[in-house]
Order: sequence, then C-alpha cells, then structure tokens
Amino acid sequence: DAKTTQPPSMDCAEGRAANLPCNHSTISGNEYVYWYRQIHSQGPQYIIHGLKNNETNEMASLIITEDRKSSTLILPHATLRDTAVYYCIVRVAGSGGYQKVTFGTGTKLQVIP
Amino acid sequence: GAGVSQSPRYKVAKRGQDVALRCDPISGHVSLFWYQQALGQGPEFLTYFQNEAQLDKSGLPSDRFFAERPEGSVSTLKIQRTQQEDSAVYLCASRLQGSTEAFFGQGTRLTVV
Repeated sequence: DAKTTQPPSMDCAEGRAANLPCNHSTISGNEYVYWYRQIHSQGPQYIIHGLKNNETNEMASLIITEDRKSSTLILPHATLRDTAVYYCIVRVAGSGGYQKVTFGTGTKLQVIP
Repeated sequence: GAGVSQSPRYKVAKRGQDVALRCDPISGHVSLFWYQQALGQGPEFLTYFQNEAQLDKSGLPSDRFFAERPEGSVSTLKIQRTQQEDSAVYLCASRLQGSTEAFFGQGTRLTVV
C-alpha cells in the first residue's frame, strides 16, 4: 500500500469548514483514497473513499487532485463532535477478497467552540 | 446488536498471564480483522480471517499471539505470557463480502502490569 503524509494536528472553529490534507505521491492507478476517523475511546469509523473523481456523502466531501498525488477531506460545517483523529489511507479496493489497511498516525482535528 | 462487539472493554493482566479477547462481528460479515493500537499511534494490522480461514497473520508480533475463528463468526485473540509491551487497545473489525467499508468495535484496552 502507498504511504500517506498528513499534518499531525489541526484546529478548526466550530461551524467553519475543516479541510484536512493528505499527500499520497506514490499512489498507484488502482489504489483508492479512504478516510477514516477515530473519536476518543472508540474504534475507527469509515467516512468516505474515492478513486479519481470528487466524492460527497452525508458526512464529508473528498477532493482528489487530477494527478491523484494528494487529496483533501472537507467537513463543511465542523461541530464539536467532529473532534477526532482523521486517517487518510490508500489501498486497492476490489469486489471481494482481502485488502490490508495501514493507518499511519493521522491528523488530530480539534474543533474549537 | 447492530455493531461489532468486543469484550472485555478493559483488561488488566499481570505480566506472564495469558489473556483472551473476544470479538463478535456483525452477523453475516465474512471478513474479520484484528488490529493493535498503541497509545498515540494509529492501528497496526495483526491478522485477517475470511470466514474461518486465517489468510494473513503477518502482523502478529510474536508466537505468543494467536487468533482463531473456528466457526467463521466469533473470533478470539489470545496472548500468552503477556509482557508490558503488549499493553495497547486491540481492535476488531468486520466487513461484508464485496463491501469496501469495514466496521470497527470499540476495542479492548489491555494493560499489563
């Protein structure tokens, strides 16, 4: 799996958009970008994933650059409950089978009242 | 229950003691993963099951670690002769066949004293 680089920490004001960057310059053509988050004392939670097109769901938006070497997770209106460690992961995804996930150390997002 | 359930939530073991950590995956989920998460770090892969078959155990740190899933549902992670460096949160995740989203339990926090 390709390595990712994320800033160790970020702050965001409540109600503002949180933009979390991730670099994955060695990503392969068949590797997807996944985002998970881990709220204190809980297990990681899936947020979103994408290959090359931008994606949006009820939790967040994922913007992937055209060369796919970096991406940004956007939480449009951050709340205090969004305070968590956010992990950017790249891996092959398929219709079945096994894909080991390597988490790294992630970005600790602190949403400030 | 609707989610992945792990028990116990907390375990304190004396050094040298054997421990067994249980994971109840979401019903029908074929894939099951175990991760180890040290304080301040991201989760590190330990092992993967597809049904009852253990297809990858490359992340198990030593032969003191053993995992099983005999009937393809509940899984147990056993650690023999625990050492202080085994202190961590042990996370279990399960995934439906063909799905890209893994669901994590809350983890078991193991403290070896």
